[in-house]
Amino acid sequence: GAVVSQHPSRVICKSGTSVKIECRSLDFQATTMFWYRQFPKQSLMLMATSNEGSKATYEQGVEKDKFLINHASLTLSTLTVTSAHPEDSSFYICSARDELPGGVEQYFGPGTRLTVT
Amino acid sequence: AQSVTQLDSQVPVFEEAPVELRCNYSSSVSVYLFWYVQYPNQGLQLLLKYLSGSTLVKGINGFEAEFNKSQTSFHLRKPSVHISDTAEYFCAVRWAGAGSYQLTFGKGTKLSVIP
Repeated sequence: GAVVSQHPSRVICKSGTSVKIECRSLDFQATTMFWYRQFPKQSLMLMATSNEGSKATYEQGVEKDKFLINHASLTLSTLTVTSAHPEDSSFYICSARDELPGGVEQYFGPGTRLTVT
Repeated sequence: AQSVTQLDSQVPVFEEAPVELRCNYSSSVSVYLFWYVQYPNQGLQLLLKYLSGSTLVKGINGFEAEFNKSQTSFHLRKPSVHISDTAEYFCAVRWAGAGSYQLTFGKGTKLSVIP
């Protein structure tokens, strides 16, 4: 089956530093990936849609200069949280859509727990 | 735009008892419906999906869901739960047309199975 990995699984950083999170599709190509943010005991909120070879599409209210997304290859999208602050602490999950004909699913990564101190 | 309402934020149930997790959606267009499960500190795993056809959908781990168009519902059921079913469950919807792949999630239901 389709597998999506994320790295790192957990990261702790100091306020003001930047953190990069990687999302990889391991056994399939993904032209479209999605980045979600999940606060404790809450649902997933879509942050942006990452498109290979083009700019990401951000949801309303998401700062594109703070959450930099790069989708430079068909198997890798990265999310960089720039100048992180404690309020950026959250669980970040990526997904990739099934691009086979008729495919409708999204395959989710295991998530990255970011803690900003 | 679509929206998803999961009516229960928490559902405690005794082991081997049946359970139903409720999900209602609102959309003016045809949609696909999904149920995902999330274990602590993990990503989401697809339990089942409804695309078209039979309104009763069977998924993994003994779960099933029934699509009811008139009531705009997609409730998840299991006849006998196990301790290992303790997790967060999310109902999600996406537009059935081509070109849009975004999922809209409900707020989740935490299922707690009591020994």
